[in-house]
Amino acid sequence: DAGVIQSPRHEVTEMGQEVTLRCKPISGHDYLFWYRQTMMRGLELLIYFNNNVPIDDSGMPEDRFSAKMPNASFSTLKIQPSEPRDSAVYFCASSLFPGVGGGFGDTQYFGPGTRLTVL
Amino acid sequence: AQKITQTQPGMFVQEKEAVTLDCTYDTSDQSYGLFWYKQPSSGEMIFLIYQGSYDEQNATEGRYSLNFQKARKSANLVISASQLGDSAMYFCAMSGGYQKVTFGTGTKLQVIP
Repeated sequence: DAGVIQSPRHEVTEMGQEVTLRCKPISGHDYLFWYRQTMMRGLELLIYFNNNVPIDDSGMPEDRFSAKMPNASFSTLKIQPSEPRDSAVYFCASSLFPGVGGGFGDTQYFGPGTRLTVL
Repeated sequence: AQKITQTQPGMFVQEKEAVTLDCTYDTSDQSYGLFWYKQPSSGEMIFLIYQGSYDEQNATEGRYSLNFQKARKSANLVISASQLGDSAMYFCAMSGGYQKVTFGTGTKLQVIP
């Protein structure tokens, strides 16, 4: 069974360019999460979806960031325009369903991450 | 609000020895879940073990066990018989309420031959 798939694995771009990160969750998982990981700030939740609908985007740092989930098997995170401070590893994760306040269904399975470098 | 605290930024352990990674949490939820993830130098986040707040027995998965002490709000990870491949960052996390998972800052474990 394939895990969470992310592409590209590495992205190097120049400041001002548009960057699109892609994610395919585990089939059957209803929840999809986008995280950003940096040395300074650790792991930050950016946004999450339930059944393709964005539920909480309070972690999205600025209007330059946007995320979509057009169907159950695909999501994108877009940064436009990109800046050097956006350099980080971006993870996508998926989970089955919420447990009754914290059940095993909450277990999130992570993709391999996309290492973004903005020059 | 949920909070996870990992007070050990780094730990060393001799190969084949057991090691305990500390995690304390704070929540007002009555029902919650606790998780541990491993992040090796290659960068991926690997799910290790889960403990539900109403589970009476400590969770175990192979060489991993979760020492759950509800009254003390601690969920320490115990790795038995450490191997060189256990060298990694380890994150404690919890969920409660509606699908909001909170991660700790991590502990870097280094296994010494």
